[in-house]
Amino acid sequence: GAVVSQHPSWVICKSGTSVKIECRSLDFQATTMFWYRQFPKQSLMLMATSNEGSKATYEQGVEKDKFLINHASLTLSTLTVTSAHPEDSSFYICSAEDSYTEAFFGQGTRLTVV
Amino acid sequence: KNQVEQSPQSLIILEGKNCTLQCNYTVSPFSNLRWYKQDTGRGPVSLTIMTFSENTKSNGRYTATLDADTKQSSLHITASQLSDSASYICVFFQRGSGGSYIPTFGRGTSLIVHP
Repeated sequence: GAVVSQHPSWVICKSGTSVKIECRSLDFQATTMFWYRQFPKQSLMLMATSNEGSKATYEQGVEKDKFLINHASLTLSTLTVTSAHPEDSSFYICSAEDSYTEAFFGQGTRLTVV
Repeated sequence: KNQVEQSPQSLIILEGKNCTLQCNYTVSPFSNLRWYKQDTGRGPVSLTIMTFSENTKSNGRYTATLDADTKQSSLHITASQLSDSASYICVFFQRGSGGSYIPTFGRGTSLIVHP
């Protein structure tokens, strides 16, 4: 099956710094990528949808200036958490799809802001 | 509004036993339904996929069913193993106007298998 690789798997950063998370589709071209946030024992919450070469569409309540999404190529999307604070600590997951098949998920990134 | 309700919220069973997880939905129309397994601290992994016109799909010890009349889907796990302990999520996908698949997630059922 299709493989989506997310990097890093976990990251610890100091409050006020920025963190970049990468999401790559390894064996298919991802026309659309989704970014999710998940709190413990909660369902995935969609943050934004990104299409290659265009601006991301953010869900209501998600600060686009804080969570910068770049989908520069058909195989790579990045999520940058800017000026991270402890409340941004969470599990971030991406998923990617091509024109035919939906939602292959990355393995997730555990962000801890100290 | 599209909704997906999963039950039970959590389930504890003994190793070797069977179990069935439920998913009630209002998503309509939809293209595909997937059941995912999510281990703690990991991304979801697809177990089964069904189109809107299919009734059942098996993948090893996992069997998913879909009843369009009652708007219910179930995931049956046979001969449970300790490694089945995870969260199980049903997700309905609709085609968006731009051609992408738009997901609607259930909140998941947390399954714990005890020896």
